[in-house]
Amino acid sequence: QVQLQESGPGLVKPSQTLSLTCTVSGGSISSGGYYWSWIRQHPGKGLEWIGYIYYSGSTYYNPSLKSRVTISVDTSKNQFSLKLSSVTAADTAVYYCARKGYSYASDFDYWGQGTLVTVSS
Amino acid sequence: QTVVTQEPSFSVSPGGTVTLTCALSSGSVSTSYYPSWYQQTPGQAPRTLIYSTNTRSSGVPDRFSGSILGNKAALTITGAQADDESDYYCVLYMGSGIWVFGGGTKLTVL
Repeated sequence: QVQLQESGPGLVKPSQTLSLTCTVSGGSISSGGYYWSWIRQHPGKGLEWIGYIYYSGSTYYNPSLKSRVTISVDTSKNQFSLKLSSVTAADTAVYYCARKGYSYASDFDYWGQGTLVTVSS
Repeated sequence: QTVVTQEPSFSVSPGGTVTLTCALSSGSVSTSYYPSWYQQTPGQAPRTLIYSTNTRSSGVPDRFSGSILGNKAALTITGAQADDESDYYCVLYMGSGIWVFGGGTKLTVL
């Protein structure tokens, strides 16, 4: 059974960089066949796809966040990470990591429990 | 940027049938957008109901079905139950590796 677990600071100051890591267990990122995704949810609001990465390092980002987002992968640790720079209060959200099949005709099938990140001084 | 629109809220009686939709701000949704549907209850991560328009995820009851209705993707719940009261999200593939979620529909069963 694949499991994903987000980790990182729950509080980030405005203008700083938000950094989160997702640790994958029960499956190897380097096996391929999946994109490793970040999705966020503002309090009481809907879901927003941030971007994803393939084990090879290929990335795709939400155009509205692209200038501030970096997703990276560390296959040796079976982890992938999110960095979001120059954060403001508008970046306060629950951040989920999730796995998505490589095919367009696949879903985000495994999710982490989510971690709340608050941007505040 | 293209906006994906869902009904903000919907109500259905127990045992009733409801169809939630997922539309584009510009253009029609087709199978080429690979619409998926997710159910989310408070405090939980979303779970897949339907992917690739009409493929039911493992373990999902067959009273949940997906389709294209006119120019929108649709999720139909037949025989609604109390525990179907949740938020429902669609997500569409926009090309170039980009996915966009709809704003979600809050479904009330009463």
